[in-house]
Amino acid sequence: LAKTTQPISMDSYEGQEVNITCSHNNIATNDYITWYQQFPSQGPRFIIQGYKTKVTNEVASLFIPADRKSSTLSLPRVSLSDTAVYYCLVGEGNQGGKLIFGQGTELSVKP
Amino acid sequence: EAGVAQSPRYKIIEKRQSVAFWCNPISGHATLYWYQQILGQGPKLLIQFQNNGVVDDSQLPKDRFSAERLKGVDSTLKIQPAKLEDSAVYLCASSQYEQYFGPGTRLTVT
Repeated sequence: LAKTTQPISMDSYEGQEVNITCSHNNIATNDYITWYQQFPSQGPRFIIQGYKTKVTNEVASLFIPADRKSSTLSLPRVSLSDTAVYYCLVGEGNQGGKLIFGQGTELSVKP
Repeated sequence: EAGVAQSPRYKIIEKRQSVAFWCNPISGHATLYWYQQILGQGPKLLIQFQNNGVVDDSQLPKDRFSAERLKGVDSTLKIQPAKLEDSAVYLCASSQYEQYFGPGTRLTVT
């Protein structure tokens, strides 16, 4: 399973767009890229998953370049409630495979 | 749709004691996972079940940890005897496609 690298922490202000980039140089052909969000005292929550190009849902967008060695989670117009830890995972993930969590990125949104 | 249920939510025990955690997955989810999350770290997979069979338990400390999934539905994770380093949040997740996590059980071993 490919290892991922993402910033340990990020700060932002309400209303800004936040982009969290994850590198995964050893991603395999069958691997998907999945992002989870975790609030304190809660289990992680699925945000978005993609294989290539761009995926958008009601919560976020995921940008994946052609070489798939990195990906960027984009959160539009963040609010204080988006303060959480965000995990980038690479693997067969939601296709039934194993998920390996890294340390994640702790996002702090300030007023 | 009801989420993944776990109990208890909190547990404090002394080292060398035993403890058990219970998980009820989302109805219809064939795959069930137990994770251990130490403070400041991401969750680490302990064991994965497909129905009532074990798919992956490579990171389960089998000398002290055990898990079972009754009739392919509920699951229990047991630690016997507990060590100080077992203090963590134990998360249960189930999936049909993406994984849905329960709220976790916070274990403190003193």
